[in-house]
Amino acid sequence: DTEVTQTPKHLVMGMTNKKSLKCEQHMGHRAMYWYKQKAKKPPELMFVYSYEKLSINESVPSRFSPECPNSSLLNLHLHALQPEDSALYLCASSHNRGPGNTIYFGEGSWLTVV
Amino acid sequence: GENVEQHPSTLSVQEGDSAVIKCTYSDSASNYFPWYKQELGKGPQLIIDIRSNVGEKKDQRIAVTLNKTAKHFSLHITETQPEDSAVYFCAASDAGGTSYGKLTFGQGTILTVHP
Repeated sequence: DTEVTQTPKHLVMGMTNKKSLKCEQHMGHRAMYWYKQKAKKPPELMFVYSYEKLSINESVPSRFSPECPNSSLLNLHLHALQPEDSALYLCASSHNRGPGNTIYFGEGSWLTVV
Repeated sequence: GENVEQHPSTLSVQEGDSAVIKCTYSDSASNYFPWYKQELGKGPQLIIDIRSNVGEKKDQRIAVTLNKTAKHFSLHITETQPEDSAVYFCAASDAGGTSYGKLTFGQGTILTVHP
């Protein structure tokens, strides 16, 4: 069982809505990640936080806004999304950022934009 | 940046047979190579990983081999069982620069084990 918890598991939102995805880990990890995964594709990195500071933004559109309130929590705020943004959004964490640090994934939040 | 190629895209085996999935990477500086299993409707789960100072690693029915010179690594599953059916992703971790620690994934292999 994963120790990275994501809520909600499923979310349907309209293109004018504002919603948030939430992620929590209590493993003491200091790096947290958001990935986007489309059907039959590998996960694509969106953001990396290291010690609560944004360290990688993979040129993600501003309609996705990450937030790291503390070392255990990671949010992804969603606004004015498009239907093509429908995907599985995965949160992950690792002890630290850097190669050799095992990255643990949550079960994901399935997002449908209508 | 790093580029990871994974083959085959689909693999079908009979229960009890072995399965082998191969990946190649482009950045010789990459030094960490995890393998993830993703079951339908779930997040990826790490099943085994290898670091560049090791050539082979085993964990029960699963093994990974790494050839740094050729820049390829492989996953070997022996005595396959129906519950091994899933999508398997290989990955390589960037070793430096602004992408430090970023995982680049292969395209995935759909493994089906027939009873």
